Amino acid sequence: DGGITQSPKYLFRKEGQNVTLSCEQNLNHDAMYWYRQDPGQGLRLIYYSQIVNDFQKGDIAEGYSVSREKKESFPLTVTSAQKNPTAFYLCASGNTGELFFGEGSRLTVL
Amino acid sequence: SQELEQSPQSLIVQEGKNLTINCTSSKTLYGLYWYKQKYGEGLIFLMMLQKGGEEKSHEKITAKLDEKKQQSSLHITASQPSHAGIYLCGAGRYNNNDMRFGAGTRLTVKP
Repeated sequence: DGGITQSPKYLFRKEGQNVTLSCEQNLNHDAMYWYRQDPGQGLRLIYYSQIVNDFQKGDIAEGYSVSREKKESFPLTVTSAQKNPTAFYLCASGNTGELFFGEGSRLTVL
Repeated sequence: SQELEQSPQSLIVQEGKNLTINCTSSKTLYGLYWYKQKYGEGLIFLMMLQKGGEEKSHEKITAKLDEKKQQSSLHITASQPSHAGIYLCGAGRYNNNDMRFGAGTRLTVKP
């Protein structure tokens, strides 16, 4: 079945460690996105990519890094430079503005 | 700050009642998208509006985009517990390739 898959669903890490969240889609979408969601703040755009080997910073890119080596994959690394990484992270893909979302990854930094 | 302002922030209604959620942009929208999210899950696409004055319906949910393409409303008729969740409006700044969202409206429907 076509869809977008995020992993892991839950992740616990110690402060100062880098963490990589996986996002894979088999919908043949060119554009992929990473959002962060905190309680009461809606979704905030971290990074987005419109094509392989290219990506742009969103509104809160500091402390995060991404790569887009394959059309299907858009992993997000939460680095130790991110001061408040505990959050719910959502990945999405789409071609025409209608986005398809993964189920999310909840990261807790202890 | 958010470019899309949603109101109200939260809403509690009795089952069977009608309700409206609003989404306002300070800039002309290229397209306006409505999504629904259940707590702790991803977003599900509801509707897309592109033309000024456009109105779309899906089951008991109707969305409208005003003539100036700066405000949209989402109306639910005869609400049911299955309508509960967070409703978010989204729009791209330029050509919808950099989608951003409002803060969301949390809807609770009491049986």
